[in-house]
Amino acid sequence: GAGVSQSPSNKVTEKGKDVELRCDPISGHTALYWYRQSLGQGLEFLIYFQGNSAPDKSGLPSDRFSAERTGGSVSTLTIQRTQQEDSAVYLCASSPVIAGGSYFGPGTRLTVL
Amino acid sequence: GESVGLHLPTLSVQEGDNSIINCAYSNSASDYFIWYKQESGKGPQFIIDIRSNMDKRQGQRVTVLLNKTVKHLSLQIAATQPGDSAVYFCAEITTSGTYKYIFGTGTRLKVLA
Repeated sequence: GAGVSQSPSNKVTEKGKDVELRCDPISGHTALYWYRQSLGQGLEFLIYFQGNSAPDKSGLPSDRFSAERTGGSVSTLTIQRTQQEDSAVYLCASSPVIAGGSYFGPGTRLTVL
Repeated sequence: GESVGLHLPTLSVQEGDNSIINCAYSNSASDYFIWYKQESGKGPQFIIDIRSNMDKRQGQRVTVLLNKTVKHLSLQIAATQPGDSAVYFCAEITTSGTYKYIFGTGTRLKVLA
């Protein structure tokens, strides 16, 4: 596709359930990032992948969060045992190089009831 | 992607005037900076970037100024148009050693007709 795509666009779940969020980066982009944007907060960096290197997980808020990137392309962000404070818009971005300007997807709005 | 919401600082400018949006960054080791624009309901869009070995960079209608002495970044938009109305935020990136990507909370720009 022409840009970064994310699915689903909206997800409503019950507290305690697991959710999976998907990101399809721009083809050929080696760097992929996940961010979270909560109401009243700025963008919060979660994790990034660069090529085949081990991901930098330093931004993940708890061990309930994990992410993987298969074949250097599609990435999934998994949140286990969701909590209400996980409610936010989760944004994915990709860039051709690690310090290049990132192209963002439209985000997944997660609501935990 | 919903922008951050109700309590952002707001800058109101008349259409045709120049806008200046400021950002104070926190990490003196940050060596790369990006300005993003986020319109309501959309993910952030890359506007312009600058590396720490520069103090000014110009794009189309936009200029970024970097003052490392006081850790200050500004975005200047010439001849502001209604389509410029959005939330603008800066990102500071440290690309050496432990990778860090920090976003500011943003400034809402309102263009008055």
